[in-house]
Amino acid sequence: EVQLLESGGGLVQPGGSLRLSCAASGFTFSSYAMSWVRQAPGKGLEWVSAISGSGGSTYYADSVKGRFTISRDNSKNTLYLQMNSLRAEDTAVYYCAKVVHYYDILTGYYKRGWFDYWGQGTLVTVSS
Amino acid sequence: EIVMTQSPATLSVSPGERATLSCRASQSVSSNLAWYQQKPGQAPRLLIYGASTRATGIPARFSGSGSGTEFTLTISSLQSEDFAVYYCQQYNNWPPNSFGQGTKLEIK
Repeated sequence: EVQLLESGGGLVQPGGSLRLSCAASGFTFSSYAMSWVRQAPGKGLEWVSAISGSGGSTYYADSVKGRFTISRDNSKNTLYLQMNSLRAEDTAVYYCAKVVHYYDILTGYYKRGWFDYWGQGTLVTVSS
Repeated sequence: EIVMTQSPATLSVSPGERATLSCRASQSVSSNLAWYQQKPGQAPRLLIYGASTRATGIPARFSGSGSGTEFTLTISSLQSEDFAVYYCQQYNNWPPNSFGQGTKLEIK
């Protein structure tokens, strides 16, 4: 059974830092890209960042580029999100999600796809 | 960046009736679209991928259709547990990945 368990959320002051973790189990972690998605209170889903299975490729939303860093430790089956220079607008529940790769018959390549499993989320509150 | 627009924002439907939710992409995403269901206090759950393929364990009353820029999620006979927020997501070309703003399906 696939399980994703986030931790590390909490209350932090504007300008502060926080590191989120996502412990994965039930699948071969190193074989899959992973992603972070956040949801501000009462709002919709916003994609934040993604990382390849090897960790060699990383991707960010413009809203967090230069402030957040995604990483992974495949020996520990754990995904991370280092968040620096936090702002009030970063307040949200942060979810980690497992990315499916699929074969695109139009291009003949495997591509990053949808998110088939999600963690339960961890709340980050940025406030003074 | 591809912008996903869902309509309506809120849909009121009676149990047992059919619900039709729409999602539009700002440019073609082929059939590379997923739908998720989210209930209060819970993580999103994958319903549909490839615009029309149900995920494992998803009841047959959920169906997806469309391609290019116009997509539909249909729930054929609403059950009490189906009242939730639904999001579409394009994965044709990311990053950035993009979700619609959601449709809240509420009991009429």
